[in-house]
Amino acid sequence: SQTIHQWPATLVQPVGSPLSLECTVEGTSNPNLYWYRQAAGRGLQLLFYSVGIGQISSEVPQNLSASRPQDRQFILSSKKLLLSDSGFYLCAWTKGLAGGPGYNEQFFGPGTRLTVL
Amino acid sequence: EDKVVQSPLSLVVHEGDTVTLNCSYEVTNFRSLLWYKQEKKAPTFLFMLTSSGIEKKSGRLSSILDKKELFSILNITATQTGDSAIYLCAVEFGGAQKLVFGQGTRLTINP
Repeated sequence: SQTIHQWPATLVQPVGSPLSLECTVEGTSNPNLYWYRQAAGRGLQLLFYSVGIGQISSEVPQNLSASRPQDRQFILSSKKLLLSDSGFYLCAWTKGLAGGPGYNEQFFGPGTRLTVL
Repeated sequence: EDKVVQSPLSLVVHEGDTVTLNCSYEVTNFRSLLWYKQEKKAPTFLFMLTSSGIEKKSGRLSSILDKKELFSILNITATQTGDSAIYLCAVEFGGAQKLVFGQGTRLTINP
């Protein structure tokens, strides 16, 4: 069975410090991977997605970047955090195979709650 | 701009009541509409809808899509306290299975 991991679970960082959040998926290959941010009491905003190693698409201009160094690893980074980067960050994956069962369903990781002070 | 709007944003009812959650959307290249339940952390999948007028049902939950009027509803009958959660509606659009989410409806079921 497939599982998705995120770490750390919670993080408190000062403004101006760097950030690295990691997401890994097990039990599948060549997944599509996604990073979302959820502000308090709000819906999810898509930040980045990746359809393959080294392929990153950004959805919104921001202070963050993403990388996919391995097939099942997705990293969210920042060189200097802003207060507005606080939120709940969720990683998700899909099977990436058009038309197959569960094609559309995105499976979410447990999330990282980031507080920037 | 692609957008998904959910209503109400918050709803408080008593156990045993029936609730209807609404989701309207405006997206280019619509592919599917999905409902998720989010309790404490990761959203969990409820339904995926692609065709108009076909009801999806799972226990006390059901959902239907109207592609002409661009909306979907999620019904929960005989609500229980365990149904308390944020319910998220999302629409898949374009390629790469990208989703745009609504703001969510926070449902609270009081005993």
